This record gives sequence, structure tokens and C-alpha cells, in this order.
Amino acid sequence: NAGVTQTPKFQVLKTGQSMTLQCAQDMNHNSMYWYRQDPGMGLRLIYYSASEGTTDKGEVPNGYNVSRLNKREFSLRLESAAPSQTSVYFCASSSQDRINSPLHFGNGTRLTVT
Amino acid sequence: AQRVTQPEKLLSVFKGAPVELKCNYSYSGSPELFWYVQYSRQRLQLLLRHISRESIKGFTADLNKGETSFHLKKPFAQEEDSAMYYCALSGRDTPLVFGKGTRLSVIA
Repeated sequence: NAGVTQTPKFQVLKTGQSMTLQCAQDMNHNSMYWYRQDPGMGLRLIYYSASEGTTDKGEVPNGYNVSRLNKREFSLRLESAAPSQTSVYFCASSSQDRINSPLHFGNGTRLTVT
Repeated sequence: AQRVTQPEKLLSVFKGAPVELKCNYSYSGSPELFWYVQYSRQRLQLLLRHISRESIKGFTADLNKGETSFHLKKPFAQEEDSAMYYCALSGRDTPLVFGKGTRLSVIA
């Protein structure tokens, strides 16, 4: 039982390049989330998916897109990376009963945009 | 709007001393409050939630609606408590909003 798995663990991009961060969970959770973690800023919600087939913007969605591919997978895409998107990205999931059930986090992806 | 304030970026205490990590919130309805912890080289994980009213690893937190606070307390700090602590709030059917975090350093 792996929980929440994120790939890649590390990535370096040049400004303007695109990439997709992958996230999968094996806990049969309905809700999935993408957060970014920056020093002094805490965790900020980028996008979330309350259930398969739905996605909603969080606090800082600009520059990102998401896809809820199926119940297990929720990807985050940067179409044209900018240095301001240098951050650690965390995917999380929560159980299907309520959107505010406790979150289970992945190990994070450390992204650097030069 | 939901808001969580953790006024201390860094808190250093000696081993065996009491610990209190402060958390204040702003929310018009009935919130659910959580504390999450991130130990070095580990993923973020739930420490405790107010509705459980439990003690985890010696930590407790009481929701004070009058003061809109959810401070995390432990009577005797241990070195293994050194970590990043995040207070988080969720309203009805809304995702978690996190505070900026407090790094706890327990000095031997």
C-alpha cells in the first residue's frame, strides 16, 4: 500500500518549458489536491478535485492546469514554466466521505525553474 | 474567507521544557481545525484534529472559539519533536487552508 505517489522527485526546467507532475493514490480516495510549499508562505492550494470528473481552482491556480485522469490519478501541468514557480509541490488525497477529511500527502516534487 | 495565522516562524525550546505553538484562525462558520507535522525528510502527516480530542505523541490542542485559537501544546519537549508544524482549517465542504508554519527546534 504505497499511499500517495508523486513523480518525479526532482526537476529542473528552463523558463518557458512545460512539464507535468504526476500523482497517484491507491487508497480509493475521492478527493485529490495539489499544494505548493514555499519558505515563509506555508502550503497554498493550487487546484483540487473533490471527486472524479471535477476540478476546482484553489488559492494560486495561475500558470497551472490539472487533469483528474481517473479516480487514482491527478496530474498538474505547467504549460510555460516561470522562475516564480520554483517550489516544492505536494499532492494529497482524502477519503470519500467529506472534502475536509484528513489529508494524506505524497513525498513532494522539488521543482527549480531557471 | 478562511485564514490561519501562525505568528511564530521559529520556536526554540530546551528539552524537557513546555511547548506551545500558537494558531489563530478566522472563519465565520464552524471550523474544523487540524495540526499537521513534517519531520525532516518525511512527508507531511496529520498530527491531530480538534474533533478527536485526543493526545498524539504527548501533544494536545484545544479549540477555543472565543479566542479563535487552536494552540498546540506539549508539557515536556523531546528532541524528536523538532519539525515543521502547520495549523490548518477547513470549513464545510471547503479544502484545507494552511498557516505558514512554525519550525520547532528542541535543543538538547
